[in-house]
Amino acid sequence: DTEVTQTPKHLVMGMTNKKSLKCEQHMGHRAMYWYKQKAKKPPELMFVYSYEKLSINESVPSRFSPECPNSSLLNLHLHALQPEDSALYLCASSQEGGESGGFYEQYFGPGTRLTVT
Amino acid sequence: AQSVAQPEDQVNVAEGNPLTVKCTYSVSGNPYLFWYVQYPNRGLQFLLKYITGDNLVKGSYGFEAEFNKSQTSFHLKKPSALVSDSALYFCALIGNAGNMLTFGGGTRLMVKP
Repeated sequence: DTEVTQTPKHLVMGMTNKKSLKCEQHMGHRAMYWYKQKAKKPPELMFVYSYEKLSINESVPSRFSPECPNSSLLNLHLHALQPEDSALYLCASSQEGGESGGFYEQYFGPGTRLTVT
Repeated sequence: AQSVAQPEDQVNVAEGNPLTVKCTYSVSGNPYLFWYVQYPNRGLQFLLKYITGDNLVKGSYGFEAEFNKSQTSFHLKKPSALVSDSALYFCALIGNAGNMLTFGGGTRLMVKP
């Protein structure tokens, strides 16, 4: 099973709302990633978890808060977002990653299409 | 600093013809190169990778890529294009920062019947 699942598929939220994105993988991967992707652009890395610990935060605003409850799950908590945060949010996983090194391909979920009104 | 360039925003090819999507890179040390494909409103799908060994790498759906160290290139190829190959293609690089991907800007492939 090489599947990464993400929920919800679509999310519309106001600037004062609090919502969460969820990601799950059952491949035994030890690294998980959050990316933000604008239309027709490459994904931009936001966060990396390696062995359930946050290993990389690419200077993401505090209105985005990641959480890794266990090795299979990754959440992204959203609060007080801005309209410019509207994008496709992608989760990915790989066998190893982050600062632990390795050259493993990442498997991506289908994404959550977020619209901030 | 490492970087990936995809010089063509869009490539147009007729169905049945060979296709090439270009990628060049810049990195100190050995490059580890990947190709991903993205269909509309979907996540990225891994196609193939070059880590070491044979310069010609074969991947999913009949795609292959050739690593050329002297030209710092990793072009994606397919002998006979299908309309269903129409999608956005990203070349990516892992350099010296662990498993962190640096993406090219993407190339939209349009295959016409």
